[in-house]
Amino acid sequence: GAVVSQHPSRVICKSGTSVKIECRSLDFQATTMFWYRQFPKQSLMLMATSNEGSKATYEQGVEKDKFLINHASLTLSTLTVTSAHPEDSSFYICSARGASRTDTQYFGPGTRLTVL
Amino acid sequence: TQLLEQSPQFLSIQEGENLTVYCNSSSVFSSLQWYRQEPGEGPVLLVTVVTGGEVKKLKRLTFQFGDARKDSSLHITAAQPGDTGLYLCAGHLTGGGNKLTFGTGTQLKVEL
Repeated sequence: GAVVSQHPSRVICKSGTSVKIECRSLDFQATTMFWYRQFPKQSLMLMATSNEGSKATYEQGVEKDKFLINHASLTLSTLTVTSAHPEDSSFYICSARGASRTDTQYFGPGTRLTVL
Repeated sequence: TQLLEQSPQFLSIQEGENLTVYCNSSSVFSSLQWYRQEPGEGPVLLVTVVTGGEVKKLKRLTFQFGDARKDSSLHITAAQPGDTGLYLCAGHLTGGGNKLTFGTGTQLKVEL
């Protein structure tokens, strides 16, 4: 099946710094990418949806100025957590899908962010 | 309010037992998927069901989509320690566009 990678897999940063997480589709063109956040022992919560070349659509309650999403190519999307704080510590997962809504959505392995 | 409620939330059983996980909603889904997730990893797709009443089998796992496409179940026969993980149902709402709505999750632990 298709592969989606994330980098880094783990990151620890100081409060107030910004962190960038990359999500790549390795063997297909990802027209749409999704970013999720997951707290321990909980389900995935959708943060935003991005289509290549367009601005991301954020879910209610997600600050677009804090979680900057860029989807400049069909194989790469980035999530930048700006001015990170301890409460931003979480597991961030991206997923990627082709052009059709019925295409399978493939998930990345996740990035564990810890803000000290 | 969570659109997809899973039950039970936690389940701890012995190896060899059978179990069923339920995924319920008051909304209609055009398709529904089941994922398994291990700690520190992304969810892995197990199955997709699209037709009301559909039953799919994957070795010891049996998935069913409700006739009205509002609910689903996952039955595991003779559970093994390797089945341990977080099981998530997720679906596309009818007319809901791009979004994949995730269920609340069921944490399964299978002990020797």
